[in-house]
Amino acid sequence: DSGVTQTPKHLITATGQRVTLRCSPRSGDLSVYWYQQSLDQGLQFLIQYYNGEERAKGNILERFSAQQFPDLHSELNLSSLELGDSALYFCASSRLGTGDYEQYFGPGTRLTVT
Amino acid sequence: GQQVMQIPQYQHVQEGEDFTTYCNSSTTLSNIQWYKQRPGGHPVFLIQLVKSGEVKKQKRLTFQFGEAKKNSSLHITATQTTDVGTYFCAGRSGNTGKLIFGQGTTLQVKP
Repeated sequence: DSGVTQTPKHLITATGQRVTLRCSPRSGDLSVYWYQQSLDQGLQFLIQYYNGEERAKGNILERFSAQQFPDLHSELNLSSLELGDSALYFCASSRLGTGDYEQYFGPGTRLTVT
Repeated sequence: GQQVMQIPQYQHVQEGEDFTTYCNSSTTLSNIQWYKQRPGGHPVFLIQLVKSGEVKKQKRLTFQFGEAKKNSSLHITATQTTDVGTYFCAGRSGNTGKLIFGQGTTLQVKP
């Protein structure tokens, strides 16, 4: 158990819909990262937050957005869902945000868009 | 943009054989991290390399960071069935936490 929690574990929804994925980092970790993992794309970095502020951005689609709240939990919002958004979404956390620290991954949310 | 390539994509070995996965970056890296993901699981941090030419060992696992800080390798000696999983390298080239992951090498070990 990494100490990072993600909800829900599974999500099945239809194209065009909007979903919210939630992540609680390890106690004491200030930085949260979101990744998308699909069979053909590997682990793709989406976005990083550090202490409530956006710190780094990857190839995150405009239909996706995220935020980190004062209690440090984070949410990833996916809208206008397409079939290709079906993937495993991981949240990870680290103590600080400079990339010198190991990242602890949560169990992931498996999203299926039908 | 920055790319991290990892080979091979898959490797099947007999238990007891050695295994190596290689990671190459298109740019010089500040550091490189290695993660292992068991089937159905999430990535778990193994190690971080920071210095040019650095070599670190964890029991049967040996990690190397190239002199130019653009490549890295993970070598497993005498594989065991517990080594099964996908091994990812992840490179950082800025001062944020952004990591670029390689595609991973999936290791299968036949008992």
